[in-house]
Amino acid sequence: DAKTTQPNSMESNEEEPVHLPCNHSTISGTDYIHWYRQLPSQGPEYVIHGLTSNVNNRMASLAIAEDRKSSTLILHRATLRDAAVYYCTLLGPGSNYKLTFGKGTLLTVNP
Amino acid sequence: DTAVSQTPKYLVTQMGNDKSIKCEQNLGHDTMYWYKQDSKKFLKIMFSYNNKELIINETVPNRFSPKSPDKAHLNLHINSLELGDSAVYFCASSQEGGAISNEKLFFGSGTQLSVL
Repeated sequence: DAKTTQPNSMESNEEEPVHLPCNHSTISGTDYIHWYRQLPSQGPEYVIHGLTSNVNNRMASLAIAEDRKSSTLILHRATLRDAAVYYCTLLGPGSNYKLTFGKGTLLTVNP
Repeated sequence: DTAVSQTPKYLVTQMGNDKSIKCEQNLGHDTMYWYKQDSKKFLKIMFSYNNKELIINETVPNRFSPKSPDKAHLNLHINSLELGDSAVYFCASSQEGGAISNEKLFFGSGTQLSVL
């Protein structure tokens, strides 16, 4: 199964941008890169996904490297409500079409 | 209206008991899932059902039996509960499921199961 690697934790200040990195060097050609986040005591929540091109939505932006072996989730202005565990995961033939989650990155946002 | 709702939110029970967790989605999705999040916070897929048909069945003990009476419901029944079953169980749904790479999953808020 395709695997992703993320830092265990990151810290940010409120109102500042946050760049959350993810490595997925064994990604297969048609796997999509998905990001979810899990706020305390809640279920995972979809954030964004992409294949090759950078993607933007109201929650975040996703920057995908040209070789697709890494990606970065960008929160343009972190708020206290963005404090969560962020999961980078792959979905496609490389993952047997199963969305699986690693340890993720615990994002702390300082006021 | 909650898109994916599961009950109960908390479940405390004794070893050896049988219990069920219910899940309902009002999104009109065809596929539903059960995930387990253990004490180390790893989130692992257990089952998925597409339109009442079992699609994914990970290496889960057969004490766990999912039941889908219709495509809007996927219940999880657990027989002979063990201490190691203590975890948070999440239900989820997606529009199509199967060999789709670009769709989103919608998760419920979880059921915290504690086996004493």
